[in-house]
Amino acid sequence: QSALTQPASVSGSPGQSITISCTGTSSDVGGYNYVSWYQQCPGKAPRIMIHEVSIRPSGVSSRFSGSKSGNTASLTISGLQAEDEADYYCSSYASSSTYVFGTGTKVTVL
Amino acid sequence: EVQLVESGGDLVQPGGSLRLSCAASGFTFSDDWMHWVRQAPGKGLVWVSRINSDGRTTNYADSVEGRFTISRDNAKNTLYLQMNSLRTEDTAVYYCARVKNWMFDFWGRGTLVTVSS
Repeated sequence: QSALTQPASVSGSPGQSITISCTGTSSDVGGYNYVSWYQQCPGKAPRIMIHEVSIRPSGVSSRFSGSKSGNTASLTISGLQAEDEADYYCSSYASSSTYVFGTGTKVTVL
Repeated sequence: EVQLVESGGDLVQPGGSLRLSCAASGFTFSDDWMHWVRQAPGKGLVWVSRINSDGRTTNYADSVEGRFTISRDNAKNTLYLQMNSLRTEDTAVYYCARVKNWMFDFWGRGTLVTVSS
């Protein structure tokens, strides 16, 4: 049950696009299309942004998109805005009937 | 409106026990899998445990297996986490969350557990 690997930080200027990677194994990310992404602002509970790799829940901006290739999932934020500054976590269902989260990525808007 | 409200967090000594509760409202609690996720101060999210809708199936992270027990009372719309043999590394904010369509779609605000002598 090792955490999924994410970059510690990613930054971009307003209007730019950034991509956050989430690398696991064939027992989690690579084995299931059950990867989800969460945004967490300081002192707040996480908020769902993407589920089942690429599905955006109602109310989430279309600037957020997800994808997966092999054991690595990705979250892309297009048209970066100041309000996107937060921590982002990926999560995946795993073969041991458990879930695993990523190490987290701090997004900074320059 | 879906609401999840955790309670029971406290300061406890190493080796001690604590029971967390999560009161649910705004949805049919007995239909859904429920989970506990924790976050140590300044650290990332860590999945802890889950329980199915009727309480008969449970799973745990290796780090808490044998020490923590998840349970639920569907008549009271409440989720529980019994934590025994607590360690300093269990110090964290504990969130309860509903999982639907393989996503943690609703979260509580969390309750702080501090394990320290």
